[in-house]
Amino acid sequence: SQQGEEDPQALSIQEGENATMNCSYKTSINNLQWYRQNSGRGLVHLILIRSNEREKHSGRLRVTLDTSKKSSSLLITASRAADTASYFCATDRNAGNMLTFGGGTRLMVKP
Amino acid sequence: EADIYQTPRYLVIGTGKKITLECSQTMGHDKMYWYQQDPGMELHLIHYSYGVNSTEKGDLSSESTVSRIRTEHFPLTLESARPSHTSQYLCASGSTGSGNTIYFGEGSWLTVV
Repeated sequence: SQQGEEDPQALSIQEGENATMNCSYKTSINNLQWYRQNSGRGLVHLILIRSNEREKHSGRLRVTLDTSKKSSSLLITASRAADTASYFCATDRNAGNMLTFGGGTRLMVKP
Repeated sequence: EADIYQTPRYLVIGTGKKITLECSQTMGHDKMYWYQQDPGMELHLIHYSYGVNSTEKGDLSSESTVSRIRTEHFPLTLESARPSHTSQYLCASGSTGSGNTIYFGEGSWLTVV
């Protein structure tokens, strides 16, 4: 089974609203990353949060990590139609760059 | 933008044909990966390499094979394609010092008819 699982699987919001996606994982991690995938394209790295960090910001993105609950959330504030994409969390299982991806959250932002 | 390139982007071939998906990166990354992803689904690691002459199988069993003769090049080969191989194949690379961040190519969409 997957290391990371996103929730919800799909999310539809209006432009300007905030979007929150959650990720749960099963084993201890060194860090957790979020990636974005536009339809039919490769994944693009968004943000990395280390296991000793609780919150991280990058532009309109805010990521939190709760290692006690083995969960992370990605918040996109003031969403835009261009944010429409699938968002994946990825966890590393060891120090060897071995990432395991969840099933992703498909976000649709309506103009 | 990541400097990692995949060719072809789209390929339709007949059953039984041999195909090679190319992946090249110009970042000097030691680690390279192949993921398989069906539309709208999760990514599955099928192969990875930690350096030249190093290749390992990933979590998802795959009939494909890979080679790593040069640092920048990590081709994936299917000796005899079948309809069940129809999928998107994503190549990625990363370096030991990059904090486990990996960089993806645009993907190769393979359809076997």
